[in-house]
Amino acid sequence: DVVMTQSPLSLPVTLGQPASISCRSSQSLVHSDGNTYFNWFQQRPGQSPRRLIYKVSNRDSGVPDRFSGSGSGTDFTLKISRVEAEDVGVYYCMQGTHWPRTFGQGTKVEIK
Amino acid sequence: EVQLVESGGGLVKPGGSLRLSCAASGFTFSTYSMSWVRQAPGKGLEWVSSISVSTGNIYYADSVKGRFTISRDNAKNSLYLQMNSLRAEDTAVYYCARDLQLYYWGQGTLVTVSS
Repeated sequence: DVVMTQSPLSLPVTLGQPASISCRSSQSLVHSDGNTYFNWFQQRPGQSPRRLIYKVSNRDSGVPDRFSGSGSGTDFTLKISRVEAEDVGVYYCMQGTHWPRTFGQGTKVEIK
Repeated sequence: EVQLVESGGGLVKPGGSLRLSCAASGFTFSTYSMSWVRQAPGKGLEWVSSISVSTGNIYYADSVKGRFTISRDNAKNSLYLQMNSLRAEDTAVYYCARDLQLYYWGQGTLVTVSS
């Protein structure tokens, strides 16, 4: 199975400051069709997960542009340009290239 | 508006069975693959199973293979998860999600396996 390793697991941030979460996969996520199926999800307290980013860097509809995704191959990053109070929650990476699908452990973002 | 509404969760004894349902609306259900993902209390996300549009391709996590069966009824816009031989470690909120990249999620249904 592809192991997804996130860091850090806890991220205290100051409102208005940037934040960055890293995710590394144990093998390349480039699919045979040429796409890299790598996603980021946000789970706010008490809510269902919500996809933010798909195929590494594409924001889903309604996702604020302060969220951005980057990376390739096995190394990926989610950046929040200026953290807002509503961004508190747990962020998960997930690979959608290989079976079984696998998630990172989650990164808890909280306000300092 | 896309809606996914799970139901069928509850308390069941170890070794028991439960069938979860997911009612889909707001999109053409028959043209999308569907998935189940679970989250144990206070833990992270675990992918459980996925089914393709035509049920030609079905995938399971090793942790549930041989015990869980995913199915769909395109005429009823519904996704199912038949769970047999349940164990304490299957206790979780079960979410259905649209497609293989989990674009939309339901609100989840809680399954508790306990004697």
